[in-house]
Amino acid sequence: DIVMTQSPDSLAVSLGERATINCKSSQSVLYSSDNKNYLAWYQQKPGQPPSLLIYWASTRKSGVPDRFSGSGSGTDFTLTISSLQAEDAAVYYCQQYYSTPSFGPGTKVDIK
Amino acid sequence: EVKLVESGGGLVQPGGSLRLSCAASGFTFSDYWMSWVRQAPGTGLEWVANINHDGTEGYYVGSVKGRFIISRDNAKNSLYLQMNSLRAEDTGVYYCARIDDFIDYWGQGTPVTVSS
Repeated sequence: DIVMTQSPDSLAVSLGERATINCKSSQSVLYSSDNKNYLAWYQQKPGQPPSLLIYWASTRKSGVPDRFSGSGSGTDFTLTISSLQAEDAAVYYCQQYYSTPSFGPGTKVDIK
Repeated sequence: EVKLVESGGGLVQPGGSLRLSCAASGFTFSDYWMSWVRQAPGTGLEWVANINHDGTEGYYVGSVKGRFIISRDNAKNSLYLQMNSLRAEDTGVYYCARIDDFIDYWGQGTPVTVSS
């Protein structure tokens, strides 16, 4: 099974500043036959279900603000919020779908 | 508009059973794999089970194998999770989710509490 880790566990960022969340998989999630990274990012606000932000490691879902971006390949990935807004306070999860799905433990983003 | 609405959660004693349902609408249900994901109180997300388009293949996380059964009725646009031999550690919110390789839509969830 692929184990996902995230860092940091939590971070507090001022409005308008950059937030960076890291995600690491225990083995590569890059599928050689299609050269795609089977990695997604989700946002979860209190009392709500998660919602998809990014898939294929760097493709933003339609309607997601362009301040959210995903990068990385293989085993190391990053979610960046370029200019934090108040509504971005949430927990963010990475998830691999290369094999039986697994999620990272989450990173809580607060406003400083 | 894609909608996934779970039902069937509640309070059950350890060792008991519960059947969750998920009503899907706004898309061609039979075209998609579906999933159940759960979230224990105050913790992260845990994938529970997947089922393929026609219901012939189910996949489970190790902790529920032999106790939970995922199924679907494409004629009724419905997904199910039969949960048997429930344990305290099965407590949490259970989400129904649509899979398009990744999970692209989630239901609002139904809470399950296993306690005496």
